[in-house]
Amino acid sequence: KAGVTQTPRYLIKTRGQQVTLSCSPISGHRSVSWYQQTPGQGLQFLFEYFSETQRNKGNFPGRFSGRQFSNSRSEMNVSTLELGDSALYLCASSLIGGGLNTEAFFGQGTRLTVV
Amino acid sequence: DQQVKQNSPSLSVQEGRISILNCDYTNSMFDYFLWYKKYPAEGPTFLISISSIKDKNEDGRFTVFLNKSAKHLSLHIVPSQPGDSAVYFCAAKISGSARQLTFGSGTQLTVLP
Repeated sequence: KAGVTQTPRYLIKTRGQQVTLSCSPISGHRSVSWYQQTPGQGLQFLFEYFSETQRNKGNFPGRFSGRQFSNSRSEMNVSTLELGDSALYLCASSLIGGGLNTEAFFGQGTRLTVV
Repeated sequence: DQQVKQNSPSLSVQEGRISILNCDYTNSMFDYFLWYKKYPAEGPTFLISISSIKDKNEDGRFTVFLNKSAKHLSLHIVPSQPGDSAVYFCAAKISGSARQLTFGSGTQLTVLP
């Protein structure tokens, strides 16, 4: 069973540009969440998508957005990039089901560097 | 305001001994806790979880203990192996429709041969 796939693995962008990152969840998983990891702030929740709808959003500016497609694949977009957006962006997929058994499985991440 | 705290940035343990990683939380609404292991340039790998209705969960060499009154959980690794060297993150969530995880800042575990 394939894991969570994120593309691209590495990206270098210039300040002011925009970027789109892609995430394919584990087959059968319908929830996709995005996290940002930086040395100073650790792992921080960006947003979660389920059934093509954003279900929850973290404390990030509106420059960060996302979407989910009918096949559960998700993209996140960052517009007007700032130096501080340099981070490892992680996607996690979860199987929607009853009870508390909702482990999130992470992809390898996309390392974004803004110069 | 950090709702999940891992106060030890690093821990060194001799191979074969026990590793104990600690985590504290402040939000009493959290009722599901997870531990992840992370190697550089990779995504976190799920290790073990525990629901608030339990106080212990065991999986092989890994055991997680939850003390709800103290809002504290710990991960025990016995015996520790050099391959366990990684950053360990504690995470917490509130049951319900959202799958948002709140992470601690991580503890770098180094297992010395």
